[in-house]
Amino acid sequence: DQQVKQNSPSLSVQEGRISILNCDYTNSMFDYFLWYKKYPAEGPTFLISISSIKDKNEDGRFTVFLNKSAKHLSLHIVPSQPGDSAVYFCASKTLFTGTASKLTFGTGTRLQVTL
Amino acid sequence: DVKVTQSSRYLVKRTGEKVFLECVQDMDHENMFWYRQDPGLGLRLIYFSYDVKMKEKGDIPEGYSVSREKKERFSLILESASTNQTSMYLCASSEEGLRQPQHFGDGTRLSIL
Repeated sequence: DQQVKQNSPSLSVQEGRISILNCDYTNSMFDYFLWYKKYPAEGPTFLISISSIKDKNEDGRFTVFLNKSAKHLSLHIVPSQPGDSAVYFCASKTLFTGTASKLTFGTGTRLQVTL
Repeated sequence: DVKVTQSSRYLVKRTGEKVFLECVQDMDHENMFWYRQDPGLGLRLIYFSYDVKMKEKGDIPEGYSVSREKKERFSLILESASTNQTSMYLCASSEEGLRQPQHFGDGTRLSIL
C-alpha cells in the first residue's frame, strides 16, 4: 500500500526550462512534506519542505506547492541546470511518539537535465 | 555540518551469514533510522530508534534486527542473510521534532551471494 506516490519514474528537461516533479499522497493525516535529492553512490540530501498550513514554500530556484484538497504536491525547479540531474524523492512525515517522527518516501523520479 | 558515517560502502556476503552494518552520527541526534533502497520501490524504513536502547519496527523489519547501545551508533543486523536482502542500505539521523529533516549517510551496497 503505497501511501506516497510518484507516478513518473523519469523526466527529461532542457537546461534553462522548468522542471516539475509531482507527488500524490493518500493519508490526509500527513501534514509535513519534504523533498530529497539523490545522486548515484550518495545518500539523499534534504532539499525543501512544506507544512500543511502553507500552500507554497520557496528556496532559490526550488519551489514546492501543496494542494491539500487534491492530496498533491509538486516541486518546481526554475531554471533547470545540468547539476540538477538526480533522483528526487518526496516524503511525508508523521509523528510516531512524542516528538519522534518517521518519513514515508515515494518511489522517486529520475530527472535528466539536457544541454 | 551533520555527518552520518556508514562503515562500509560495499559489502559482499554469503547466504546464511550474520551481517552487521554500522552507522555513526556526530550531531548528538536522538533519532536514527535504517532504510533500504531498491529500484522502483523508493526508500523503505526497516527500523528506527528514538532513544538509546529503544527501537521500533518500520515497514519491512522481517529478517532484520537493530542495536543502539550508544546514542551515536545504530547497527543493523541481518540475522541470516538471504539473496533478497541484496540492496542499498541507508542510515539516517535527525533531531527531535516534526520539522527536523533526516540526514543520510552515503549508503552501503550489500550483495548477498
